[in-house]
Amino acid sequence: GENVEQHPSTLSVQEGDSAVIKCTYSDSASNYFPWYKQELGKRPQLIIDIRSNVGEKKDQRIAVTLNKTAKHFSLHITETQPEDSAVYFCAARGGQNFVFGPGTRLSVLP
Amino acid sequence: DTEVTQTPKHLVMGMTNKKSLKCEQHMGHRAMYWYKQKAKKPPELMFVYSYEKLSINESVPSRFSPECPNSSLLNLHLHALQPEDSALYLCASSQARGVYEQYFGPGTRLTVT
Repeated sequence: GENVEQHPSTLSVQEGDSAVIKCTYSDSASNYFPWYKQELGKRPQLIIDIRSNVGEKKDQRIAVTLNKTAKHFSLHITETQPEDSAVYFCAARGGQNFVFGPGTRLSVLP
Repeated sequence: DTEVTQTPKHLVMGMTNKKSLKCEQHMGHRAMYWYKQKAKKPPELMFVYSYEKLSINESVPSRFSPECPNSSLLNLHLHALQPEDSALYLCASSQARGVYEQYFGPGTRLTVT
């Protein structure tokens, strides 16, 4: 089955800097890769996703890149703000279900 | 309306109690999911309903019993739980099982005493 790894597990950046979170997956048949943001005590919220027929997708300060050959995808957040502080989960569609990465705790320091 | 709702928000129950968690969506989605999330961990899939039929059971203990009364509602019946079952229980829905985006409800924080 699918296995998703995520790095780093924790990340601290200064406000205004960029943050990058990387995930790798094992199933070459996976074709959908969402990213979720989960604030403390809240639900996971879909912030961006990418399908395997696209190499990059951008939405304002957030972008995701996908390298199918290497089986890895990354989340890029530019001009970070304190409200970006949260746990971020990547996921890959393994079979018909999502497999989540273990999460990255992002702290944006003022 | 892209909202999934869940009740109750918090639940404390003893190991001999029977309780139910409820989930509702009005987005016309035909796939609904139950996830369990422990602290500092990702959500773990428990059950998937596709077109109101249980299509997968990820080897979840029988003390958890799902029910899908109609395409908008999803229940999770709880009985004889253990303290280690304490967690955040998340409901999610998607347009269909598979590729489509999953939207999560706010979750029920369950504590088993």
